[in-house]
Amino acid sequence: AQSVTQLDSQVPVFEEAPVELRCNYSSSVSVYLFWYVQYPNQGLQLLLKYLSGSTLVKGINGFEAEFNKSQTSFHLRKPSVHISDTAEYFCAVSGVMKTSYDKVIFGPGTSLSVIP
Amino acid sequence: SQTIHQWPATLVQPVGSPLSLECTVEGTSNPNLYWYRQAAGRGLQLLFYSVGIGQISSEVPQNLSASRPQDRQFILSSKKLLLSDSGFYLCAWERTRGQYFGPGTRLTVL
Repeated sequence: AQSVTQLDSQVPVFEEAPVELRCNYSSSVSVYLFWYVQYPNQGLQLLLKYLSGSTLVKGINGFEAEFNKSQTSFHLRKPSVHISDTAEYFCAVSGVMKTSYDKVIFGPGTSLSVIP
Repeated sequence: SQTIHQWPATLVQPVGSPLSLECTVEGTSNPNLYWYRQAAGRGLQLLFYSVGIGQISSEVPQNLSASRPQDRQFILSSKKLLLSDSGFYLCAWERTRGQYFGPGTRLTVL
């Protein structure tokens, strides 16, 4: 079984400053990793995903994440945030298994607040 | 391109009343479909998933049920709502290892 930890429940950051949202996972098998963003009263939107290959993954809205297998981490970064990045961010993991369905486990979320 | 619809967008229901939430996907065939609930200030809880018509798996025992009468239609139901059923209900479909979510239904049970 997999699990996901997002240590920071809230992250305040000033506009145009860099930000890193931390995500750690545990799994006994290889994993796929995801980051989602949720704006107020909306569904979740896939920001980026790691399936295989390069450990540095680039996503939408200028975000990127790096898969670190030895540290079981998948931290999300953006070099310069905008007010519009204020939202809830969810890290998620699923196991790499040969079945038609592999449950996706979501972390508890990190609330990013960008301060003008 | 693929799109996912949910309705209604918001719903206020009294305790003990029935519930029916609908989710439809366009632009794909035989998707895996999911129902999640998000309580206020909390993460996502997987309720049901379906890998095909008539195939429903339940993750959490509760007074909710799900059905998939057509390939791209997923319905969440209840015969009698509880106060604890209030929350934000999200439908999602899956493609190449990534879930894509609908806009959600905000349910308030009074």
